[in-house]
Amino acid sequence: EAGVTQSPTHLIKTRGQQATLRCSPISGHTSVYWYQQALGLGLQFLLWYDEGEERNRGNFPPRFSGRQFPNYSSELNVNALELEDSALYLCASSLGTSRQETQYFGPGTRLLVL
Amino acid sequence: TQLLEQSPQFLSIQEGENLTVYCNSSSVFSSLQWYRQEPGEGPVLLVTVVTGGEVKKLKRLTFQFGDARKDSSLHITAAQPGDTGLYLCAGGGSQGNLIFGKGTKLSVKP
Repeated sequence: EAGVTQSPTHLIKTRGQQATLRCSPISGHTSVYWYQQALGLGLQFLLWYDEGEERNRGNFPPRFSGRQFPNYSSELNVNALELEDSALYLCASSLGTSRQETQYFGPGTRLLVL
Repeated sequence: TQLLEQSPQFLSIQEGENLTVYCNSSSVFSSLQWYRQEPGEGPVLLVTVVTGGEVKKLKRLTFQFGDARKDSSLHITAAQPGDTGLYLCAGGGSQGNLIFGKGTKLSVKP
């Protein structure tokens, strides 16, 4: 069974541009989570989607947004890119919304903002 | 605010040595998970501990969940170079997300 997939693997943008990152969850999983892993900061929660709706978001500005499609895949959009947005963006999926549901991670998209 | 603190931050040991990594919080978690992450890749789940006092073994790795469900430890016996990586503990947050510790970067030298 395929795991969580993310594209692209690497993305280079310049300050002020927009970036779009994509994620396909494990088949049967309805919840998708996005995390940012910047150097020295650990994994920070960005967004949580379930059944096509945004369930919650972390402490990030509104220029970080996304959506979940009917097939449960998801997109993360980052507008007006800033240098400090450079990070590994990780997507995870889980079967449901219980706190005890295991989250399975994709390989990430490395975003570099110049 | 729920926080998970891991220690040590960095650990460099020789092959064959034993080590323990700690994950502590002032908050109670319904479960804690341990992940291992290699450079440029996503975290891979090692284990989930759910019951206070629970001990789980995965080959040379032993995971323990504290009785009060506020802390956990990972013990590796006879470490090997293949154990090198970033070890992360995570617990369920109030927003539905996982809260991660900052990780322990382990380097095992042959």
